[in-house]
Amino acid sequence: DAGITQSPRHKVTETGTPVTLRCHQTENHRYMYWYRQDPGHGLRLIHYSYGVKDTDKGEVSDGYSVSRSKTEDFLLTLESATSSQTSVYFCAISESSQGGGGTEAFFGQGTRLTVV
Amino acid sequence: KNQVEQSPQSLIILEGKNCTLQCNYTVSPFSNLRWYKQDTGRGPVSLTIMTFSENTKSNGRYTATLDADTKQSSLHITASQLSDSASYICVVSGRRDDKIIFGKGTRLHILP
Repeated sequence: DAGITQSPRHKVTETGTPVTLRCHQTENHRYMYWYRQDPGHGLRLIHYSYGVKDTDKGEVSDGYSVSRSKTEDFLLTLESATSSQTSVYFCAISESSQGGGGTEAFFGQGTRLTVV
Repeated sequence: KNQVEQSPQSLIILEGKNCTLQCNYTVSPFSNLRWYKQDTGRGPVSLTIMTFSENTKSNGRYTATLDADTKQSSLHITASQLSDSASYICVVSGRRDDKIIFGKGTRLHILP
């Protein structure tokens, strides 16, 4: 899986608790992304990073924050988890921007998060 | 609004048969189109990437076509195998920004 590790792989948490998902890469790629995947929807971008401490919002960023203090790590935090955030979360990396003719993205194995 | 529509939503075929999956998009100006395969419980893996000037690209038993004029792409799978059972996702990127658009995918089931 192109040197991408997501942790944890599965998590069950209670509504209102904070949750942090971690994505670790060994490819030294500049771009990192967090997506969520839900039935009836395509993969939807939450946040992405184009360098250390450089991040931007995606189309479904409400309720999520991210941090990237090192090239290899991209953290996704749910400050106060809600049931609507139950989903499968995928991290992806790419050498350059995926848009505008950029390179392909490599995806991690996913994290299944259940908020009860 | 930029959109990517895939059809059919799901497909069931017998092992050894061929099938074709469709992708229509409205993204403009267009940069490239990718097909990903996603096995159950795993992340998507790239099969092909096609730019504006490419009409056909093959990857083993997978052949992707692109008609940039009609904004349509297809993924043809030849002599299907049980391991082809997966979701196939069409992804289109535009030329103007960093965003890409994912289709909802076609769920393919291969029966023995």
